Amino acid sequence: AQSVTQPDIHITVSEGASLELRCNYSYGATPYLFWYVQSPGQGLQLLLKYFSGDTLVQGIKGFEAEFKRSQSSFNLRKPSVHWSDAAEYFCAVGPPRGGYNKLIFGAGTRLAVHP
Amino acid sequence: SAVISQKPSRDICQRGTSLTIQCQVDSQVTMMFWYRQQPGQSLTLIATANQGSEATYESGFVIDKFPISRPNLTFSTLTVSNMSPEDSSIYLCSVGSLAGGITVEQFFGPGTRLTVL
Repeated sequence: AQSVTQPDIHITVSEGASLELRCNYSYGATPYLFWYVQSPGQGLQLLLKYFSGDTLVQGIKGFEAEFKRSQSSFNLRKPSVHWSDAAEYFCAVGPPRGGYNKLIFGAGTRLAVHP
Repeated sequence: SAVISQKPSRDICQRGTSLTIQCQVDSQVTMMFWYRQQPGQSLTLIATANQGSEATYESGFVIDKFPISRPNLTFSTLTVSNMSPEDSSIYLCSVGSLAGGITVEQFFGPGTRLTVL
């Protein structure tokens, strides 16, 4: 079955520290991969996406993610976290082919940032 | 990316009543999706809404409970019928962007926070 696993439910980092949020997927082929962020009381904003090509993708707000096929992973990173990054982060996968893109979401990782 | 608005942004409803949530997009889109996010949970797809055809529901969701309309390429509604406290959730609509005929990513509205008493 297709699934997305975000092993860390809650992460706390200090402002200025580096960040890595983990995402592993189970899929029949290489899917489209996404990271979304949800700030409190807000909808979801797309941070970055991977379709093909360079396995290191850059996104908005200084985030990047690396696709590792051998590990079925798509971890999100940021070298220096800002207090405004406190939010919930969702990894999602979608089918690589087809008439529409059904997204399967992970459970989310809630990020807290200490000053 | 498309700009998506939802109405209402939040509501508190009594059990047994129904609520219709509206989703408006600032451009024409083929695919629209409705998701539910239960408290502290991730997003679950309710249904896919295409203009001019019946919505396609995911396992565990039925049309009688969540009727959907898609009258044109910029608008959709989701109704939560005969509500119970278990329906308390955030309901989000999203739209798919097309590239070469394939929906390659989705953009989300701000969500409707529903509380059922």
